Amino acid sequence: GAGVSQTPSNKVTEKGKYVELRCDPISGHTALYWYRQSLGQGPEFLIYFQGTGAADDSGLPNDRFFAVRPEGSVSTLKIQRTERGDSAVYLCASSFQGPLNTEAFFGQGTRLTVV
Amino acid sequence: AQSVTQLGSHVSVSEGALVLLRCNYSSSVPPYLFWYVQYPNQGLQLLLKYTTGATLVKGINGFEAEFKKSETSFHLTKPSAHMSDAAEYFCAVGGRTGGGNKLTFGTGTQLKVEL
Repeated sequence: GAGVSQTPSNKVTEKGKYVELRCDPISGHTALYWYRQSLGQGPEFLIYFQGTGAADDSGLPNDRFFAVRPEGSVSTLKIQRTERGDSAVYLCASSFQGPLNTEAFFGQGTRLTVV
Repeated sequence: AQSVTQLGSHVSVSEGALVLLRCNYSSSVPPYLFWYVQYPNQGLQLLLKYTTGATLVKGINGFEAEFKKSETSFHLTKPSAHMSDAAEYFCAVGGRTGGGNKLTFGTGTQLKVEL
């Protein structure tokens, strides 16, 4: 597709369950980012991939959160033992990588609700 | 380290009036600066960005912003508000480092446009 695609758009899960959120970036974009947006807040950085490798995972809140991008395209954000505090909109963005190509394109997000 | 402060979580203007949304940043490296708009139930859309060169940046939908290094500001303006401008606006700063296009966002300003 033309834009960043995130699935599912909504996910409701029970506390303690495992969830996977998928991001399909714009074709050709080597950089991929995950952000989390809690209610009433701006997006907060979670992790950045350059190709297949996680170049910066400093925003992951704890070891329950993990993300992969095995073939350098689609990425999956995985959350183990979900907690109610994990409820948020998870945003994915992608961009070309270069000194002046600084525009990141965002998907519409996955709204995660932990009950 | 980088941070963004958006003064005023809610701004209300009359249709046809000047829109001014304030953003101040902190960055230890020369910044890239962005304004994004988020309409209800939609993803973030880039309005404009400053990377280098001219400090007055023009974006989509008649918005513009001026980078003022001495004031560490990047305020967003539009001469005449339209009802369709009602949305949430986020200022963001990125770093000119090897860390890709990782962005630090402000907490957002909700713009209301009244008749």
